[in-house]
Amino acid sequence: QKEVEQNSGPLSVPEGAIASLNCTYSDRGSQSFFWYRQYSGKSPELIMSIYSNGDKEDGRFTAQLNKASQYVSLLIRDSQPSDSATYLCAVNPVRDSSYKLIFGSGTRLLVRP
Amino acid sequence: EPEVTQTPSHQVTQMGQEVILRCVPISNHLYFYWYRQILGQKVEFLVSFYNNEISEKSEIFDDQFSVERPDGSNFTLKIRSTKLEDSAMYFCASREGRARGGYTFGSGTRLTVV
Repeated sequence: QKEVEQNSGPLSVPEGAIASLNCTYSDRGSQSFFWYRQYSGKSPELIMSIYSNGDKEDGRFTAQLNKASQYVSLLIRDSQPSDSATYLCAVNPVRDSSYKLIFGSGTRLLVRP
Repeated sequence: EPEVTQTPSHQVTQMGQEVILRCVPISNHLYFYWYRQILGQKVEFLVSFYNNEISEKSEIFDDQFSVERPDGSNFTLKIRSTKLEDSAMYFCASREGRARGGYTFGSGTRLTVV
């Protein structure tokens, strides 16, 4: 069974701090990894994609991938109250021609003003 | 910015009734998907659609569900005989077709079965 695991949180950080969100996945051959942000009652919004080991930065967001450890993380620098949301890790399983995504249950982030 | 459009935003239906959820994917996208999210739970894959046919479906997508792309722009999900447990947010998504790339999700349809 292909699984994506996340700590449900909530993760509470003060405004301006770095928020660190983590995700592990079970399908060792997975190739594509995504972070989505979901506000309550809204649809998932793509923040970052990462495909190779290492770090990928986009503004205040950095995604980190370690395929050997089957681990993906998202760092949010200078966290703002507007970053308060649920962050979903999603993985495209290996050899999947439909490119479907398997989602984790999400980590709820609260940024305190 | 191109959007995936879903209608209606909220639908209430009686158990046993048929519902059709509608989506207009982004025009140059080739892959289309339906996902659902029961309140407080994970986003779950239902079905993928490519080249006018289903490319993959999950265990959830049983004979009560069907999808169509009737006119080259709309993409619909039909539930033939709704059950209480079908109550969820249903998200349509599309992707361009490159080997790597994330999806764009629509804003969702909240289906409430009473």
